[in-house]
Amino acid sequence: GNSVTQMEGPVTLSEEAFLTINCTYTATGYPSLFWYVQYPGEGLQLLLKATKADDKGSNKGFEATYRKETTSFHLEKGSVQVSDSAVYFCALPERGGTSYGKLTFGQGTILTVHP
Amino acid sequence: DVKVTQSSRYLVKRTGEKVFLECVQDMDHENMFWYRQDPGLGLRLIYFSYDVKMKEKGDIPEGYSVSREKKERFSLILESASTNQTSMYLCASSRGKNYGYTFGSGTRLTVV
Repeated sequence: GNSVTQMEGPVTLSEEAFLTINCTYTATGYPSLFWYVQYPGEGLQLLLKATKADDKGSNKGFEATYRKETTSFHLEKGSVQVSDSAVYFCALPERGGTSYGKLTFGQGTILTVHP
Repeated sequence: DVKVTQSSRYLVKRTGEKVFLECVQDMDHENMFWYRQDPGLGLRLIYFSYDVKMKEKGDIPEGYSVSREKKERFSLILESASTNQTSMYLCASSRGKNYGYTFGSGTRLTVV
């Protein structure tokens, strides 16, 4: 079935540093790919998505490009802020026509940004 | 703004109690999901529902049941709460494959 492998954390950065969180996937076909963010004490929120190969998703300064050649969907931000401290999850749909939209999630990467 | 609403942010229950966690969505989504989230274990699927009165077990259904009597509401039931069910519970809904989830804010349940 479809699976996702996400960079292990935690990641600790200083404010204004460059961020990369790696995500690679195994999938049949070219499903949509997602990044979710979870702020402390909250549920997950959709951060960005890409629906086909070579698409770039972007939101709040974060970007990720759907790369079929390397089966990757790495999350990047050029200059992180303290408010970006959160847990980040990469996800893709489970394989199969009757998956009912179930997502497979990576294990999550904890990001801490210091002033 | 579309929403998934979980009825409680924090709950404290006693061992052996029957616990109901409620989730309501206003997006007319067919599919709804219950997860629990524990440190180091990520998100684990408990149950999901793809239509009214239809449900399927996820990866860790033991000790839980669910109810979906109306399309917008999906309830998670802990038949007899135990301390190992202390966790963050997350509800989500989805329009279908490739659309992703909309999550609720979560319910942090403590069983004492």
